[in-house]
Amino acid sequence: AQSVTQPDIHITVSEGASLELRCNYSYGATPYLFWYVQSPGQGLQLLLKYFSGDTLVQGIKGFEAEFKRSQSSFNLRKPSVHWSDAAEYFCAVGPSGTYKYIFGTGTRLKVLA
Amino acid sequence: KAGVTQTPRYLIKTRGQQVTLSCSPISGHRSVSWYQQTPGQGLQFLFEYFSETQRNKGNFPGRFSGRQFSNSRSEMNVSTLELGDSALYLCASSISGGAADTQYFGPGTRLTVL
Repeated sequence: AQSVTQPDIHITVSEGASLELRCNYSYGATPYLFWYVQSPGQGLQLLLKYFSGDTLVQGIKGFEAEFKRSQSSFNLRKPSVHWSDAAEYFCAVGPSGTYKYIFGTGTRLKVLA
Repeated sequence: KAGVTQTPRYLIKTRGQQVTLSCSPISGHRSVSWYQQTPGQGLQFLFEYFSETQRNKGNFPGRFSGRQFSNSRSEMNVSTLELGDSALYLCASSISGGAADTQYFGPGTRLTVL
């Protein structure tokens, strides 16, 4: 069955530190992969997406993600975290039959000043 | 260009009632998808509408229904509300609903069932 796992429910980093959020997926073929961010009281905003080609994808707000087929992973990274990055981050994979997209359970990021 | 709008933003209902939520997609977008977000289950796909037709449906009971109008605006209805229906309901629009399309999410409607 297709699935997405975000192993870390909460992550706390200091402002200026680097960040890596993990995402592992189970999918029969090459999936479409997405990272979204959700700030409190807001909907989801797309950070970046991967369909094919270069496995290192650049997104908005200084984020990047690397697709590693051998590890079934699509980890999100940022070299230097800003306090405004505190939010919840969701990895998603699709298409998934009639379910369109499957979302991970999210990682809540806290940034210490 | 205006983003996806959802009304109302907050709703409080009691068990057994029904509720209708509205979503206005970005102008030119013809696909509208609905998601339920809860702390326990995360984000779950409800259904997708494209050109007034339901194209995809998630694993939710028949109490959850939706429709789309000719201007692409969409409504979802939940009948006979249960406590477990308390959630944030998110609407997302995209140009054609293709897998490669970017989905743009609205701020959601927070439904509380008492």
